[in-house]
Amino acid sequence: EAQVTQNPRYLITVTGKKLTVTCSQNMNHEYMSWYRQDPGLGLRQIYYSMNVEVTDKGDVPEGYKVSRKEKRNFPLILESPSPNQTSLYFCASSQAGWSAYNEQFFGPGTRLTVL
Amino acid sequence: AQSVSQHNHHVILSEAASLELGCNYSYGGTVNLFWYVQYPGQHLQLLLKYFSGDPLVKGIKGFEAEFIKSKFSFNLRKPSVQWSDTAEYFCAVTKNAGNMLTFGGGTRLMVKP
Repeated sequence: EAQVTQNPRYLITVTGKKLTVTCSQNMNHEYMSWYRQDPGLGLRQIYYSMNVEVTDKGDVPEGYKVSRKEKRNFPLILESPSPNQTSLYFCASSQAGWSAYNEQFFGPGTRLTVL
Repeated sequence: AQSVSQHNHHVILSEAASLELGCNYSYGGTVNLFWYVQYPGQHLQLLLKYFSGDPLVKGIKGFEAEFIKSKFSFNLRKPSVQWSDTAEYFCAVTKNAGNMLTFGGGTRLMVKP
């Protein structure tokens, strides 16, 4: 089944404790992206990657890191989480960017709470 | 920077009522436009998209949207809603061949049976 998977689905952590949220897709997609969803703000793009070893900042990259060493994986790293990073995080992928033939596929989300 | 506005934050309708959700964007160039839906507890799914051609776009589940370039709008419509349409709806915009997608704040729709 074609899908985007994220782990963990739920995470409660404390301020300053490094964490990684994994994202994996099995559709051989070139483009992957991370978003955070907050009430009233919709989804805001954190980072995106056009292909392996190519990553770029989205609208809200502060406090986050990403890497794209393999095509299928795009982990989101919080080196020193803070309470304002409490949010619902979505990973997404598409064949390539936003051309007419590509649909964005979203993962199930990771709900992160930073105490 | 481009922005996307969804002015209706919460909408409550009875079944069979007609629906129109507003979406306005600020970017003046060529845009690609999307509507996504998020059912309770689920991830986002694409409802419909506009890239070029006929400004009236038909999507899944009876939804449609009309792109009005002069008004910078891409409103979502459905003639008769069902209880199963209860969800949050997001409008999104990207520049032509752009790599970033900007979402609106979302509209929560509740349909009463």
